[in-house]
Amino acid sequence: GENVEQHPSTLSVQEGDSAVIKCTYSDSASNYFPWYKQELGKRPQLIIDIRSNVGEKKDQRIAVTLNKTAKHFSLHITETQPEDSAVYFCAANKGSTLGRLYFGRGTQLTVWP
Amino acid sequence: NAGVMQNPRHLVRRRGQEARLRCSPMKGHSHVYWYRQLPEEGLKFMVYLQKENIIDESGMPKERFSAEFPKEGPSILRIQQVVRGDSAAYFCASSSGTGIQETQYFGPGTRLLVL
Repeated sequence: GENVEQHPSTLSVQEGDSAVIKCTYSDSASNYFPWYKQELGKRPQLIIDIRSNVGEKKDQRIAVTLNKTAKHFSLHITETQPEDSAVYFCAANKGSTLGRLYFGRGTQLTVWP
Repeated sequence: NAGVMQNPRHLVRRRGQEARLRCSPMKGHSHVYWYRQLPEEGLKFMVYLQKENIIDESGMPKERFSAEFPKEGPSILRIQQVVRGDSAAYFCASSSGTGIQETQYFGPGTRLLVL
């Protein structure tokens, strides 16, 4: 199967600073990598995803990078705001008809005002 | 444009009772996934269903757990003879089924507490 590891488990930053969360995966067949944000007691919400045919994708203050050779991908949040505080999960998927997502254990991000 | 719906949002059961969790996918979606989330942990895949078909149940415990997605109506995750270790948040997600690498959209979850 696939094994996704995520670091760090907790991350505290000052408002306005950048935050970086890193994930590694084990199965080279994985080719789709979404990131979900989950606020306390709420559903996971997709914030950005990347497919293996690109190395970087950006959406306003959020960017994701993918290194297929090293089998790792990262989430970058710039100009953090207190409302960015949440648990962030990375995931990997092999993009076949077996659509299961393999999730990392999550990163609790706290942005201090 | 309703999103993924789950009910109940909270469910309390005593040990040995049955729990039935329901999931209605987004309109137009025909693929449903169930995940379980324990406190302080990520989401663990349980089962992947299409209408009237179980595609992948490799994450389901072999006993007491079953899932279905009938032609009409919501998908149901059924847990028989619940034990305390079944206490968790159960999320379903849906996708359109029109291609590979599809986005999965999550419902609000059912928080199951077994007393």
